[in-house]
Amino acid sequence: EDQVTQSPEALRLQEGESSSLNCSYTVSGLRGLFWYRQDPGKGPEFLFTLYSAGEEKEKERLKATLTKKESFLHITAPKPEDSATYLCAVPTSYDKVIFGPGTSLSVIP
Amino acid sequence: NAGVMQNPRHLVRRRGQEARLRCSPMKGHSHVYWYRQLPEEGLKFMVYLQKENIIDESGMPKERFSAEFPKEGPSILRIQQVVRGDSAAYFCASSLTTRTEAFFGQGTRLTVV
Repeated sequence: EDQVTQSPEALRLQEGESSSLNCSYTVSGLRGLFWYRQDPGKGPEFLFTLYSAGEEKEKERLKATLTKKESFLHITAPKPEDSATYLCAVPTSYDKVIFGPGTSLSVIP
Repeated sequence: NAGVMQNPRHLVRRRGQEARLRCSPMKGHSHVYWYRQLPEEGLKFMVYLQKENIIDESGMPKERFSAEFPKEGPSILRIQQVVRGDSAAYFCASSLTTRTEAFFGQGTRLTVV
């Protein structure tokens, strides 16, 4: 069964304290992996697409990496405005996109 | 280039009424997805449509729920005879192809009273 899991469920960081979020997936034939950010009361905002193992993408304090079984979202020197829920998603062999449960990140000043 | 537009943003319905949620995809996008999100929970896939076709509705309850994406006009998610358990945020997303990222609307928050 196609599945996406994320860990940790919640993460609390001090401002400037770097860390990583994990996304693990089991799908037959990876067609890409997407990272999103969701703020309370809003729709998810697209961050990155990764297509192949070894690929990396960066945007400001965020860097996403991909292996054959998982993806990491590294947050370097986070700021309070980085607080949000981070979601990863993968298209299945039937092209529907399934989401992980998300990691709720809180960055404390 | 406007993003994905959903309306209404908030919808209140009494039990037993019908709810109609609309989604206009981004210009040029022919793939539409609907998701449901309960408070403090993740996004749950409901249905995937292309123009005039339902591709995958495996996440949609078999009764009372239906979706369409006509040749002209927005995609519609229809919930008949709503119950309190239907209260949730419903998000629509659209993509250019099946392998490219999807962009989301701001959602419709349905409250059943």
